Amino acid sequence: DAMVIQNPRYQVTQFGKPVTLSCSQTLNHNVMYWYQQKSSQAPKLLFHYYDKDFNNEADTPDNFQSRRPNTSFCFLDIRSPGLGDAAMYLCATSRDLQVRTDTQYFGPGTRLTVL
Amino acid sequence: GDSVTQMEGPVTLSEEAFLTINCTYTATGYPSLFWYVQYPGEGLQLLLKATKADDKGSNKGFEATYRKETTSFHLEKGSVQVSDSAVYFCALSDLRGAGSYQLTFGKGTKLSVIP
Repeated sequence: DAMVIQNPRYQVTQFGKPVTLSCSQTLNHNVMYWYQQKSSQAPKLLFHYYDKDFNNEADTPDNFQSRRPNTSFCFLDIRSPGLGDAAMYLCATSRDLQVRTDTQYFGPGTRLTVL
Repeated sequence: GDSVTQMEGPVTLSEEAFLTINCTYTATGYPSLFWYVQYPGEGLQLLLKATKADDKGSNKGFEATYRKETTSFHLEKGSVQVSDSAVYFCALSDLRGAGSYQLTFGKGTKLSVIP
């Protein structure tokens, strides 16, 4: 089945220790997104890639970076995690950015704990 | 800007009860509308969508009709099951700056179904 895969499902890191979360997709979609979801809240968009073009949301902290080495993979790097960065991180994909009827497909998420 | 308002949760129902979760929206353009479901510890799954006025999205016994005149997209199910216990997010996709469509989520409604 075509899908969005996130690894690991659970990640524990220490305060200030860099961490990388991984997302891969078999849908061959052009767009990949990273969202942060804190407990009992709606997902918050951090940034997205359209192919190799990176678009950062205005309020995304500099501590969050992303890489997309190819169509299938996208990484979220947190350079110096703080306690406030503990959250569920969701990866999503969509076929295009300019299609009103397009759908975003989400992965299962990575739960990040910061000690 | 765009916004989505969902009824406050949590909602607790007995098995086989009728479910309605209200969702209203404001949008500057002509959005597509979505319901996503999030089971405990999981990512978001697309439940249903509607892309134009009077369209009805349906899946797994859930339905929602795109009502442009009332700017609403209420989720309904005739007979809920314990397995429907989850958080339900209403969302819209509308045109943002730079010509791209992005999702705006409601805050989510937690549903608990008891046997």
